[in-house]
This record gives sequence, structure tokens and C-alpha cells, in this order.
Amino acid sequence: NAGVMQNPRHLVRRRGQEARLRCSPMKGHSHVYWYRQLPEEGLKFMVYLQKENIIDESGMPKERFSAEFPKEGPSILRIQQVVRGDSAAYFCASSKKKETQYFGPGTRLLVL
Amino acid sequence: QQQVKQSPQSLIVQKGGIPIINCAYENTAFDYFPWYQQFPGKGPALLIAIRPDVSEKKEGRFTISFNKSAKQFSLHIMDSQPGDSATYFCAAATQGGSEKLVFGKGTKLTVNP
Repeated sequence: NAGVMQNPRHLVRRRGQEARLRCSPMKGHSHVYWYRQLPEEGLKFMVYLQKENIIDESGMPKERFSAEFPKEGPSILRIQQVVRGDSAAYFCASSKKKETQYFGPGTRLLVL
Repeated sequence: QQQVKQSPQSLIVQKGGIPIINCAYENTAFDYFPWYQQFPGKGPALLIAIRPDVSEKKEGRFTISFNKSAKQFSLHIMDSQPGDSATYFCAAATQGGSEKLVFGKGTKLTVNP
């Protein structure tokens, strides 16, 4: 029974490039959440998606960031024109409705 | 605006000690309070969670105490072991946890042998 899977685990980008982070939820889970963790900080909510729908994107920066969870395939968090301040660990979590959120191992993004 | 305040920031105890981590929240709509454990380079793992209709929940060596009137909850680790050394995060959510989690800033626990 595989847990939440994220790839890549580590991603290095130069300023101005695009970063694509992927998240495959646990089997049977239709809810996906993305969180960002800065060094020595707690996790900050970014976006909550169900299949083909964005439910809550109140934590997403207004520009350069987007997320999707298509009918088929993983959820994608996309960061366009990355800047150094985007360097962080990005975690995906999945759940069934009104149940525990299970976290993946994260993608550590480094912007040079 | 930080909705969940966690303390202390770091904590060092000897093996067998009982570290206590405290959290306070502001939003009275929160109705789900989980604790997560995170080891370096890993994702957070759910440790234990409580809902406001109970004042205490115990799972193995981990106990959550919940004080609804004070809007506070805490994690106690009985008979702590060096393997418990990790960062612990409290969190809160509405709608039974189906909505976003609001995290505290974390407590780095070190258990010395």
C-alpha cells in the first residue's frame, strides 16, 4: 500500500526557469493539499484540490504559481520564472473526505 | 497573523524524561487538532490527533491534553527515547480536518541517551 509519492525529491533551477512538482496521492484518496516549508519554519498551506477542481487556493501567491489535479495522473504544482525566495521544501498531502491528511516525502527546490 | 502558537521552539530532555509541547489557537471554528512528527529530510508523519469533544487522548507513549475553554492543547511524550528526537508540529483545522491544516512553527526535540 504505497503512500503519497512526490517527485522529483530534489530539484535545482536557475532564476527565471520553471519548476514542476508532482504528487501522486494514496490509493483511494481524492483530496490533495500542497504546503510549503521554509527552513526552520512550520508548513504553510498553499492550495487544496479535488479531482479537476481547485477548492481553496487562499495560500497560493497570486502570480507565477498554479496547481492542477487532473482526472488522470498526478497533481502538479507549477512555479513559473522561479526566484531565490521560492527555495523551500514543498509537501503534498492526500486524504479521503474529512479524514487524516497523509504527507509525502517532499520536493526540495533550490533556486540558484 | 499566526493562528496556532507553539512553544517551546526547542527542547532537550534526558532519556526517560517527559517532554511537553504546548500549542494555543485563536480560531474557535477549529475542530480537529493533529500532531505531526518530522525527521530531517522527511515528510511530516501523523502521530496522534484529537477532536474538541474529549479532553485527553493517549496512543502508546504519546498523550494529547486538550483545554477547550483556554483554547490550548499539548503533547506529552512518556518515557522519551533518543529515537523520539525530531521536530514536532501541532496543527489545527476546521471541518473535521478536511480543510487546510494551520501549523505551529514546530518544536525541535532532542532526547539525550
